[in-house]
Amino acid sequence: GQQLNQSPQSMFIQEGEDVSMNCTSSSIFNTWLWYKQEPGEGPVLLIALYKAGELTSNGRLTAQFGITRKDSFLNISASIPSDVGIYFCAGPSGGTYKYIFGTGTRLKVLA
Amino acid sequence: GAGVSQSPSNKVTEKGKDVELRCDPISGHTALYWYRQRLGQGLEFLIYFQGNSAPDKSGLPSDRFSAERTGESVSTLTIQRTQQEDSAVYLCASSKGTGTSNQPQHFGDGTRLSIL
Repeated sequence: GQQLNQSPQSMFIQEGEDVSMNCTSSSIFNTWLWYKQEPGEGPVLLIALYKAGELTSNGRLTAQFGITRKDSFLNISASIPSDVGIYFCAGPSGGTYKYIFGTGTRLKVLA
Repeated sequence: GAGVSQSPSNKVTEKGKDVELRCDPISGHTALYWYRQRLGQGLEFLIYFQGNSAPDKSGLPSDRFSAERTGESVSTLTIQRTQQEDSAVYLCASSKGTGTSNQPQHFGDGTRLSIL
């Protein structure tokens, strides 16, 4: 079945640094979603992408829908301590309502 | 509130007991999902409801798991004869689903279930 691989699995960065993470799929997706999850909370939607090549920003976050439709990237600029959390990518399995989620990238920011 | 609401937020129970978890979706959201998240892991799809259509139960791990939803409102996830392996966070999400794939899901904060 379809799988989503996220990398890196975890990151330790200094406050102020830029962060880049990616998500790759074994098959084509027509939607990419990026979520952030903090301890004790549910995932919160950050950015939704619907078109190959689309580049979308949300404050210091920028995400891109890869041209091949098999990958997506999330960048965070000038990281701050509250960026700490787990970042998940998600996409619809077989183009249906059934989303599958990546295993997450755990981000820690050192002040 | 405006978001997805889940209760209880935490549940500790003994092995073998039944538990019932509740989800109140965002008003007007026709689609509702349940996921399981084990410690340090990603989200595992359990079940999907869309309006009055038959639910997609393909992710339920065993016949001890069941879920119901009345119309487009509250859903309950029931786990019978709980096992220690059922310990996890159970997340509910809803979306303006119309059966298409491009409606983002909005999550509740989950129920943290611990089986002793």
